[in-house]
Amino acid sequence: GAVVSQHPSRVICKSGTSVKIECRSLDFQATTMFWYRQFPKQSLMLMATSNEGSKATYEQGVEKDKFLINHASLTLSTLTVTSAHPEDSSFYICSARLAGWKETQYFGPGTRLLVL
Amino acid sequence: DAKTTQPPSMDCAEGRAANLPCNHSTISGNEYVYWYRQIHSQGPQYIIHGLKNNETNEMASLIITEDRKSSTLILPHATLRDTAVYYCIVRVADNNDMRFGAGTRLTVKP
Repeated sequence: GAVVSQHPSRVICKSGTSVKIECRSLDFQATTMFWYRQFPKQSLMLMATSNEGSKATYEQGVEKDKFLINHASLTLSTLTVTSAHPEDSSFYICSARLAGWKETQYFGPGTRLLVL
Repeated sequence: DAKTTQPPSMDCAEGRAANLPCNHSTISGNEYVYWYRQIHSQGPQYIIHGLKNNETNEMASLIITEDRKSSTLILPHATLRDTAVYYCIVRVADNNDMRFGAGTRLTVKP
């Protein structure tokens, strides 16, 4: 299957700082990428949909000024958590949509964020 | 997208077939059935998907009932590494997002 990577895999930061997470599709071009968040013992929750070259579409309840998404190329999307607080600590997962008749999404390995 | 219902947990003996059910009684004609799994602390892994015909790949088989209101994911010879949360999702193929329910936590036991 198609490969999606994320960097970093784990990050610890102080409250009030900003953290950038990268999501890359390694062997295919992804016109659409997605960002999910997963709290312990819960399912994945979609945060936003990111289309290359355009503004991201955020789900209800997700603050677009806090979670900045940039999708500058067909293989890279970034999520920046601005002024992070302890409640932002979570597992952030991106996925990329493989265009074609199967329209399958492939997921990255996730980034665990801990805000102290 | 149609809603799915899965049992919260299941156990399976190592080496035996694991049959994971999914109910999607409100599925519409253009919605596909997708299966993903998530091993602890990893991103979801694509397993298989189908529209109305049964599908098989190197990982699993997907059996969809004739009325398409339910499906079963079959792992033919479960191993300990198949212990994971399995998600059944139905969605229109060209819809943008994949939305996850609670899934089934499968535990494969020695």
